[in-house]
Amino acid sequence: DTGVSQDPRHKITKRGQNVTFRCDPISEHNRLYWYRQTLGQGPEFLTYFQNEAQLEKSRLLSDRFSAERPKGSFSTLEIQRTEQGDSAMYLCASTQVGDLYEQYFGPGTRLTVT
Amino acid sequence: GQSLEQPSEVTAVEGAIVQINCTYQTSGFYGLSWYQQHDGGAPTFLSYNALDGLEETGRFSSFLSRSDSYGYLLLQELQMKDSASYFCAVNQGGKLIFGQGTELSVKP
Repeated sequence: DTGVSQDPRHKITKRGQNVTFRCDPISEHNRLYWYRQTLGQGPEFLTYFQNEAQLEKSRLLSDRFSAERPKGSFSTLEIQRTEQGDSAMYLCASTQVGDLYEQYFGPGTRLTVT
Repeated sequence: GQSLEQPSEVTAVEGAIVQINCTYQTSGFYGLSWYQQHDGGAPTFLSYNALDGLEETGRFSSFLSRSDSYGYLLLQELQMKDSASYFCAVNQGGKLIFGQGTELSVKP
């Protein structure tokens, strides 16, 4: 297995545009997480899935953010009407239910909103 | 609310021992994880404590005291490659809540 992969690695967009990121977890992992990380901060939890079910979404997350995991494999994170404050690294992680404390992170998608 | 406190930065010399502390205040606690992140890299798992006491994994050890809401990561025989950011993270059963991280600089 090649680990968690994310696409694209970098995205530059203009304010007000929509963007979509993809995450492919480790194949046997049934839990998938999305985090956001800004410079000098730790990863901030956004949402997570168990198989195709979205089990929790951060209360801090704007309605402009939506995530899906339609077949319980890859996931997408969409940000609508991007704002400059959305500029950050978006990280995806996966794990097995029994090993929630040990998450495997992808390389991230760096979003820059101009 | 919930909060995790770590020192923002620590400096040590090669070969030395360094301890990175973490205090937490969260609703729901199943354990404390530690992650390492090099500049431009992804966080990688180092250690986990679900129960009080010390866990040792090679040069790295982690300690937890649930009654004190406190844990630490101990790095021994420091190497230049250990220069990175270190995050403690509370396992809330469904998700991890990360601290702001400690930037460790190892000097020759």
